[in-house]
Amino acid sequence: DTEVTQTPKHLVMGMTNKKSLKCEQHMGHRAMYWYKQKAKKPPELMFVYSYEKLSINESVPSRFSPECPNSSLLNLHLHALQPEDSALYLCASSQETGSYTQYFGPGTRLTVL
Amino acid sequence: AQTVTQSQPEMSVQEAETVTLSCTYDTSENNYYLFWYKQPPSRQMILVIRQEAYKQQNATENRFSVNFQKAAKSFSLKISDSQLGDTAMYFCACAYNNNDMRFGAGTRLTVKP
Repeated sequence: DTEVTQTPKHLVMGMTNKKSLKCEQHMGHRAMYWYKQKAKKPPELMFVYSYEKLSINESVPSRFSPECPNSSLLNLHLHALQPEDSALYLCASSQETGSYTQYFGPGTRLTVL
Repeated sequence: AQTVTQSQPEMSVQEAETVTLSCTYDTSENNYYLFWYKQPPSRQMILVIRQEAYKQQNATENRFSVNFQKAAKSFSLKISDSQLGDTAMYFCACAYNNNDMRFGAGTRLTVKP
C-alpha cells in the first residue's frame, strides 16, 4: 500500500479564516513533506518532518503553520492567507528523509478569496 | 546550486508510438537519486521510475525506461507503445542526501489517438 490521503480535496477560504489541511499515511514512513504547487509549475518544498520533528522550513511565511501530531499524520494550519497563496498543496511521505522515494497524496486545491 | 532542467515544455506522440522526454541535472554530489513523476489532470503525482546514481544499469518499468548518462548528467525517459492514459505532465526530479528534492519545470505530454 503506497497511499497518502489528503483532506479536504477542495477548500475555499477568506483572508480572515482559519483552516487546516490534513495528510495521513499508514506506510510506516518517518518523513513527511508539504509542497505548494502553482498551475503549470513544479512543486515547491515548504516543510519537511523527520521522525515527527520539523527538519526543514523553506522560509515559509508564518501564516502557514505545520504540525505533526504523530508519525502517520501531518497537518498544515492556515491563517490570514493571501490570494496569492491559492495553489495545490501536496503532501508526500518517504521511508526516511534524503533520497528515498517520495509518495504523494492527491493534493488539496486551495482558493483564497 | 543543484538544478534540474527539462527543455521540452510540451510534446505530443501518436498512440502506440515511442516518445523520449529529456532531462539534465547539475550537481556536485556523488550520491543522489533520479526520478520521473507523472501528474495527470487528476493532479496526483505518481512515481513512474527511479534510478540510483551509483547504478550503471538503466532502470526499466514495463513500457517506461530511462537512459542514464552520468558523465553527461542526463536522465531521459522513454515511453514505448504510448497509451492515451500516458497523457500528463511529467516531472524529472533529483534527490540528495540532505533532504533536498529538486524538480524540473515539467514536460506536458499529449498522446493522440
